[in-house]
Amino acid sequence: DTGVSQDPRHKITKRGQNVTFRCDPISEHNRLYWYRQTLGQGPEFLTYFQNEAQLEKSRLLSDRFSAERPKGSFSTLEIQRTEQGDSAMYLCASSSWTAGAADTQYFGPGTRLTVL
Amino acid sequence: QKEVEQNSGPLSVPEGAIASLNCTYSDRGSQSFFWYRQYSGKSPELIMSIYSNGDKEDGRFTAQLNKASQYVSLLIRDSQPSDSATYLCAVPLYGNNRLAFGKGNQVVVIP
Repeated sequence: DTGVSQDPRHKITKRGQNVTFRCDPISEHNRLYWYRQTLGQGPEFLTYFQNEAQLEKSRLLSDRFSAERPKGSFSTLEIQRTEQGDSAMYLCASSSWTAGAADTQYFGPGTRLTVL
Repeated sequence: QKEVEQNSGPLSVPEGAIASLNCTYSDRGSQSFFWYRQYSGKSPELIMSIYSNGDKEDGRFTAQLNKASQYVSLLIRDSQPSDSATYLCAVPLYGNNRLAFGKGNQVVVIP
């Protein structure tokens, strides 16, 4: 059983460019989460999907950010017109959620974004 | 009160000693609690989950939960240099599915 995978692992871009990250969850996990982590802080929630439906999006999330999970499998996170403040580790997590049970999330290796 | 709070600064412990980490959370109704370990430059790795009041042991790790006090802790027994990492407390709050994380506690095990 492979874990969560993310691609790319590192991305360096210039301010104003668009970037897209991919996450492949653990096979058959129905939930997929995106978080962002900056140095010295815990991960901060961005958005999550149950199957292909985007169920929640952080109020802190700029409209420059968009995420999709078109077939309920992999997901992409796009950041348009990147800013230096977007520099962070972008983490994807997946879980196999069932009603009444705890939602245990497993993280991928992350994509480290540096905006110059 | 912050949603999930881990107040302690870096914790240095001698090899073989017990490391004790504390976490408080704001939602009295929270039902599940997680501890993640994060090595420098890496992603969080789940090491413990706990749902009921009391202690839960897994190898050298023990999680302790007191819902009345809104307090969860992690003990690392017989600390090893490989335990040197940041430990993150995570709680789904207010009926949400997303995890709210503390800032983490850095543990340094000194050989």
